[in-house]
Amino acid sequence: GAGVSQTPSNKVTEKGKYVELRCDPISGHTALYWYRQSLGQGPEFLIYFQGTGAADDSGLPNDRFFAVRPEGSVSTLKIQRTERGDSAVYLCASSLQGNTDTQYFGPGTRLTVL
Amino acid sequence: SQKIEQNSEALNIQEGKTATLTCNYTNYSPAYLQWYRQDPGRGPVFLLLIRENEKEKRKERLKVTFDTTLKQSLFHITASQPADSATYLCALDNGGATNKLIFGTGTLLAVQP
Repeated sequence: GAGVSQTPSNKVTEKGKYVELRCDPISGHTALYWYRQSLGQGPEFLIYFQGTGAADDSGLPNDRFFAVRPEGSVSTLKIQRTERGDSAVYLCASSLQGNTDTQYFGPGTRLTVL
Repeated sequence: SQKIEQNSEALNIQEGKTATLTCNYTNYSPAYLQWYRQDPGRGPVFLLLIRENEKEKRKERLKVTFDTTLKQSLFHITASQPADSATYLCALDNGGATNKLIFGTGTLLAVQP
């Protein structure tokens, strides 16, 4: 596709439920990033993939958060036992190879946990 | 502790004037710094990257400076237009092997016609 796409654009769930957020990066981009953005804040790094492997998952807040990228393209961010504090916009970005390559961001998924 | 600070208050300027946004950081030693633009409901869009050994970078009406002694970057938009109204984010690399970016909170710029 022309850019990074994310689905769904909005997700409302109840506390304690499981959610999956999907990211389709730009074709050919080997590096993929997940960030979380709360209202009035800048994006906060969660995890970085180089190909299929998570090269840096130091930003995942706890073990309820997990992300995969099994074929080195599409990535899914999974959140178990959601809490109200998980409510935020989850942004995905991809870049050609990583390092200082420009990161291209998707529009984000707005997650609301009731 | 590590911190990145941007003007917390919105910046209101008149069309045609130069907008100057500030990014200050502490306890980081970034190899480069980036500026992004973010419109409501959208993801950030990359504007400029400046490396630690560069003092200034320009792109059309945009200019970025980077002072590693002061630990500060300034972002200028000359001949500002209402279409420049958006939130502008600065981001640093974390000095590691990955391109993990650490973002500031952003500054909301409003250009009045």
